[in-house]
Amino acid sequence: GAVVSQHPSRVICKSGTSVKIECRSLDFQATTMFWYRQFPKKSLMLMATSNEGSKATYEQGVEKDKFLINHASLTLSTLTVTSAHPEDSSFYICSAMREVYNEQFFGPGTRLTVL
Amino acid sequence: DAKTTQPNSMESNEEEPVHLPCNHSTISGTDYIHWYRQLPSQGPEYVIHGLTSNVNNRMASLAIAEDRKSSTLILHRATLRDAAVYYCILRDAGAQKLVFGQGTRLTINP
Repeated sequence: GAVVSQHPSRVICKSGTSVKIECRSLDFQATTMFWYRQFPKKSLMLMATSNEGSKATYEQGVEKDKFLINHASLTLSTLTVTSAHPEDSSFYICSAMREVYNEQFFGPGTRLTVL
Repeated sequence: DAKTTQPNSMESNEEEPVHLPCNHSTISGTDYIHWYRQLPSQGPEYVIHGLTSNVNNRMASLAIAEDRKSSTLILHRATLRDAAVYYCILRDAGAQKLVFGQGTRLTINP
């Protein structure tokens, strides 16, 4: 149990385009999901907390208009990187909170490459 | 968030025990100690967590110092698949966010 999926696993796009990444909790409901970014050889950096039915809470320094988060259902959160640039190339990882256990379960990550 | 300090890297041999240390001298009374690991090109994976008492599960053991200012993750018999970055994270009982530090990169030699 407690499986979290991400789609796509890998995406390459041109500079200036927008990219949507999906995060799904497959066997449990999650009112809270989290989005992280990880650069090579670095640790995970929390970008935002996604709350079902309400606005996301962004960490300091993360542009909310650049990284749009939608958490429309209890099993799905999406992160859209708008007008992507090469510096947005990174490994994006989501996690979903299983409230009963107050534990986060992580997705496998999405590698974004912006040309 | 209270800070944790871990060695940047450690190395061990296959089938030997591994002790991964974590210092957290500013831990508060309601902070739980969580351990996650991240294999290459994957999302983090939960390993174990505890508050005061030592904990055991199928993956590892967590030994917590009596003053709670340090803890040790113990892999009883390392395999090549245990090569990963191990993160020690403190999280308040009422909080949901996990704040990742730099972790310890564990290398397992055959």
